[in-house]
Amino acid sequence: GAVVSQHPSRVICKSGTSVKIECRSLDFQATTMFWYRQFPKKSLMLMATSNEGSKATYEQGVEKDKFLINHASLTLSTLTVTSAHPEDSSFYICSATRTGGYYEQYFGPGTRLTVT
Amino acid sequence: LAKTTQPISMDSYEGQEVNITCSHNNIATNDYITWYQQFPSQGPRFIIQGYKTKVTNEVASLFIPADRKSSTLSLPRVSLSDTAVYYCLVGTGGGNKLTFGTGTQLKVEL
Repeated sequence: GAVVSQHPSRVICKSGTSVKIECRSLDFQATTMFWYRQFPKKSLMLMATSNEGSKATYEQGVEKDKFLINHASLTLSTLTVTSAHPEDSSFYICSATRTGGYYEQYFGPGTRLTVT
Repeated sequence: LAKTTQPISMDSYEGQEVNITCSHNNIATNDYITWYQQFPSQGPRFIIQGYKTKVTNEVASLFIPADRKSSTLSLPRVSLSDTAVYYCLVGTGGGNKLTFGTGTQLKVEL
């Protein structure tokens, strides 16, 4: 149990376009989901915390108007990269915690975004 | 959030036991210690979690001294497939955020 999926796994888009990445908890309900980005050979950097039914909490330095997060249900959160630029190219990973669960975060497989 | 410090990299050979130590001097009373493994281009995978003393599961052991200011992940008899980055994190439960440190790149050779 506790599987988190992401879609798409890879996406290539042109500069100036928007891209949506989905994060789903497949077999549990997730009140809270997190979005990270990871550059090559670097650690994961938390971008935002997403709570079902409320606005996301963004980390300092993350542009909320550029990285739109929606957590409309207990099993789905989406990250939309708006007006993407080459510097947004990165590996985006989501994680989820069980509703009422303790500490473990379950991570998705990640989405590789390349902006040309 | 408690900050963690780990060695940047470690090398080992197949069949050996590997111990990766993590320092977390500012760990809070309610914090748990969790270790994750990450392969390239994949999301982190949960390995083990503990609060104090020793925890063992089918893949690893976690040793936590009484003062909880450090912890050691022990991987018995590593294989090539254990080559990965290992992250030590501390934090409380529920939906509280995690802060990833640099992690330890473990390289296992024949």
